[in-house]
Amino acid sequence: DAKTTQPPSMDCAEGRAANLPCNHSTISGNEYVYWYRQIHSQGPQYIIHGLKNNETNEMASLIITEDRKSSTLILPHATLRDTAVYYCIGNNYGQNFVFGPGTRLSVLP
Amino acid sequence: NAGVTQTPKFRILKIGQSMTLQCTQDMNHNYMYWYRQDPGMGLKLIYYSVGAGITDKGEVPNGYNVSRSTTEDFPLRLELAAPSQTSVYFCATSGGRGTDTQYFGPGTRLTVL
Repeated sequence: DAKTTQPPSMDCAEGRAANLPCNHSTISGNEYVYWYRQIHSQGPQYIIHGLKNNETNEMASLIITEDRKSSTLILPHATLRDTAVYYCIGNNYGQNFVFGPGTRLSVLP
Repeated sequence: NAGVTQTPKFRILKIGQSMTLQCTQDMNHNYMYWYRQDPGMGLKLIYYSVGAGITDKGEVPNGYNVSRSTTEDFPLRLELAAPSQTSVYFCATSGGRGTDTQYFGPGTRLTVL
């Protein structure tokens, strides 16, 4: 598994875009970048994943650098309900997910 | 569809007692997982299963046992509970392993006193 590094915490104003960075400089060519979030001790929730190309869904956008050594999760219009711990995971087929400590995002009113 | 359900939601055990945490899924997924999460930490994998009858150890299996007799159920057994097993336990499922999205249950909060 690629080791990922995330800032321990971030703040974002409500209604603004939240940009959560993740470094995964050791990621291999077959490893996907996954993002999950965990709201107040609930079970983690899948957000988005990608391999090389940028991805977008109804929850977020994922921007992966061309060298794939880092990525950014973008929540375009953060709300108070987006306050959570966000996990960035590099993973490959046949491997188990490894959850690090993640980034605690606080959306402020 | 209920997705992934876990029972009980909360439990307090005395040292040395045993219990089984239940996990059931109706997603027809082959892969199931048990994680534990200590306060302020990320999730750690205890055991996983790639299908009925097949289980394997994760990162922190000591003190736990699992079985997988059906696709739907993946119970986690604690024998001789210890304070170090105080944690929140999450069950998850996926259609495949590694690159497939995992779906998590709501968790069981266990305290061992």
